[in-house]
Amino acid sequence: DVKVTQSSRYLVKRTGEKVFLECVQDMDHENMFWYRQDPGLGLRLIYFSYDVKMKEKGDIPEGYSVSREKKERFSLILESASTNQTSMYLCASSLLGQGFSGANVLTFGAGSRLTVL
Amino acid sequence: GQNIDQPTEMTATEGAIVQINCTYQTSGFNGLFWYQQHAGEAPTFLSYNVLDGLEEKGRFSSFLSRSKGYSYLLLKELQMKDSASYLCAVFDSNYQLIWGAGTKLIIKP
Repeated sequence: DVKVTQSSRYLVKRTGEKVFLECVQDMDHENMFWYRQDPGLGLRLIYFSYDVKMKEKGDIPEGYSVSREKKERFSLILESASTNQTSMYLCASSLLGQGFSGANVLTFGAGSRLTVL
Repeated sequence: GQNIDQPTEMTATEGAIVQINCTYQTSGFNGLFWYQQHAGEAPTFLSYNVLDGLEEKGRFSSFLSRSKGYSYLLLKELQMKDSASYLCAVFDSNYQLIWGAGTKLIIKP
């Protein structure tokens, strides 16, 4: 019954390393999102994508990039990891665009906890 | 700025009722979501409110007052498995989701 799968649950990387976080959904959803979740803060949107090869910046895109070559897969890339990117990263998908209110229930993956030393 | 406030942590007893409040100040309003997140797991959808009033789903109910910028999640007949964080999120006028920091609910026997 797995719907949104994040490839790595836990990662430990060193400052300056390139990091790839992979997310795959099997629900044929158009929209995919990457959030980070930090204690005491609400989820913050990094990037989202409405279609293959399309991407839009969220609230905190600095230091990140994304790739969506196939509909089911959305990758988050940290070109040069820094300690302030230590966080829980959540991938999510939804069927319709964000402009369609209540129909836009997000289905989340279990998260990837990244530690940058 | 846009802001969503929820209590950081609440404690309740198994079998009891608990109300988790959420107040919001956003640029416009196009609906409010509640999600449940167990520790180490994915958030899962609980409810959606766009009109004023109470929506009931089994043991869980969600209430909205748009004029007051206020919602609550009501959990009845609490079970140990209800121990989780509860996230409130609002669609603003641009249909961007604004998230609260979440309320950690601890259930004691």
